[in-house]
Amino acid sequence: DAGITQSPRYKITETGRQVTLMCHQTWSHSYMFWYRQDLGHGLRLIYYSAAADITDKGEVPDGYVVSRSKTENFPLTLESATRSQTSVYFCASRQGGSNQPQHFGDGTRLSIL
Amino acid sequence: QKEVEQDPGPLSVPEGAIVSLNCTYSNSAFQYFMWYRQYSRKGPELLMYTYSSGNKEDGRFTAQVDKSSKYISLFIRDSQPSDSATYLCAMSGTGGTSYGKLTFGQGTILTVHP
Repeated sequence: DAGITQSPRYKITETGRQVTLMCHQTWSHSYMFWYRQDLGHGLRLIYYSAAADITDKGEVPDGYVVSRSKTENFPLTLESATRSQTSVYFCASRQGGSNQPQHFGDGTRLSIL
Repeated sequence: QKEVEQDPGPLSVPEGAIVSLNCTYSNSAFQYFMWYRQYSRKGPELLMYTYSSGNKEDGRFTAQVDKSSKYISLFIRDSQPSDSATYLCAMSGTGGTSYGKLTFGQGTILTVHP
């Protein structure tokens, strides 16, 4: 049982480029989340999805786009990468309602030059 | 003021010590309390999950919640070098947002030295 898989694990790109981070979960969890983790800021929610085709903004959504055409996949796209988006990105999923904990992938370390 | 306050440490203890990690919070709507452990270059891993006030024990780990004081703790007994990691508290409630937003502490860096 793979759980949550994020790819790539490491990515280096240049400012202005589009980059997509992938997230795949094998649990059929309804909720999925994208976070970024930065020193001094902790984990901050970018976007979340309650089900396929249902997405909504979190705390820091600017510059990011998400989609969820299938329950198991939740890609995050940086349409025009900026240096301030250099970070570690984590995907998470949750089985059901707000009384359930979230489970995280191992992250994508993204550097934008 | 942040909704969840957690001392970032770092905390360094000898092997075998009892470790106490703590978080305070201000939002009385929080009902679900979690502790995550994060190793370097890995994602947060759920360690303990508790609902409302009380204690929960799992092996060497005990999670404690005091809702009247808005204070949660994680105790690690007989700490091991393999416990060296960053520990994140997190909490959520059923009021307000419908998606059950998790609010995290900043994380405490723990090192257990042999």
